[in-house]
Amino acid sequence: EDQVTQSPEALRLQEGESSSLNCSYTVSGLRGLFWYRQDPGKGPEFLFTLYSAGEEKEKERLKATLTKKESFLHITAPKPEDSATYLCAVQARGGGSQGNLIFGKGTKLSVKP
Amino acid sequence: DTAVSQTPKYLVTQMGNDKSIKCEQNLGHDTMYWYKQDSKKFLKIMFSYNNKELIINETVPNRFSPKSPDKAHLNLHINSLELGDSAVYFCASSQVPRAHLLNQPQHFGDGTRLSIL
Repeated sequence: EDQVTQSPEALRLQEGESSSLNCSYTVSGLRGLFWYRQDPGKGPEFLFTLYSAGEEKEKERLKATLTKKESFLHITAPKPEDSATYLCAVQARGGGSQGNLIFGKGTKLSVKP
Repeated sequence: DTAVSQTPKYLVTQMGNDKSIKCEQNLGHDTMYWYKQDSKKFLKIMFSYNNKELIINETVPNRFSPKSPDKAHLNLHINSLELGDSAVYFCASSQVPRAHLLNQPQHFGDGTRLSIL
């Protein structure tokens, strides 16, 4: 069964304290791995898509990397406005012809000033 | 100029009632989705739909039915609401189903919080 596991469930950082979020996946053929950010009362906001092992994407203080079994979202020198829940999702070959996503439960990040 | 919009944002109703949630996207996307986010914040696909194909998650009760008046809209109709239906429902859209576009990201609305009394 296709599955996505994110860790930790919650992460508290001081402003400027870099860290990483983990997304482990088991899928029957990966079409793509997606990172989203979700703020309270809002829908998930797209951040990155990764397609193959070794790929990296960057956006401001965020950098996403991908291996054959997991993805990391690295946060460098975070600011309080980076506080949110970060969701990882995979699109598997068994996910149907319309690209259904399988989501992890998310990591809730809190950055204190 | 919201890309994916849902109405209402909040819906409070009694058990046994029938209700609908509306979704519209102005991105020109081919495929729309409905997700359910439970109290543990876990997002699970309910339906995906384009003008040719409806894919239903087998765990979704048949009280839930998507209705699409046109390519830009996918409404969710729920019959005989139950306590366990309380959740946040998200609509999303993406540019599929062409095979080479399968990796396109999905864009989400801000959700409809459904509370069953």
